[in-house]
Amino acid sequence: SQQGEEDPQALSIQEGENATMNCSYKTSINNLQWYRQNSGRGLVHLILIRSNEREKHSGRLRVTLDTSKKSSSLLITASRAADTASYFCAPGTAAGNKLTFGGGTRVLVKP
Amino acid sequence: NAGVMQNPRHLVRRRGQEARLRCSPMKGHSHVYWYRQLPEEGLKFMVYLQKENIIDESGMPKERFSAEFPKEGPSILRIQQVVRGDSAAYFCASSPSAGPNEQYFGPGTRLTVT
Repeated sequence: SQQGEEDPQALSIQEGENATMNCSYKTSINNLQWYRQNSGRGLVHLILIRSNEREKHSGRLRVTLDTSKKSSSLLITASRAADTASYFCAPGTAAGNKLTFGGGTRVLVKP
Repeated sequence: NAGVMQNPRHLVRRRGQEARLRCSPMKGHSHVYWYRQLPEEGLKFMVYLQKENIIDESGMPKERFSAEFPKEGPSILRIQQVVRGDSAAYFCASSPSAGPNEQYFGPGTRLTVT
């Protein structure tokens, strides 16, 4: 597996606004996953997008993948205070099993 | 279906003691992964195991750390002669199959070395 790098490192928004974060990686991938970590807790899987997909939705989450630019974005629409967390991307290669995380994007949603 | 279980949730050890962290994967999952997280950092992969086999230990420190996943019972991450730098949150994850698939994480064990 290879490491994804999330950007920005931190994001502060008002409740109801949208939050967008990006992930860049270096080599070819089989899929890319996004995870959320609430303070001090284990990671929760949010969404997996395969290399032949360009966009995927899950509730208020929208993920895009641009393999030509080796980047992905995660959009959270109509944010809520409960969305306050760190978000990590994990690019996956066909031969890989382990997940390799970057430093994440820390999102603060203010009520 | 219970999620990934880890115990203890908090563990305090003095320098030089041993720490044993346990992880029970989700039912039906035979693939276990251990990760370590230092404060304000992302998770770092340590080791990947299947039942009775270590598949990838490329993230494990060469000394004092070992892991096992026996045929029966939980996976164990063992840290001998702990030092202050071992203080971290240790997370276990499991998956039903190999490959770059979704992993299910436990709540973590917070190790504090005094």
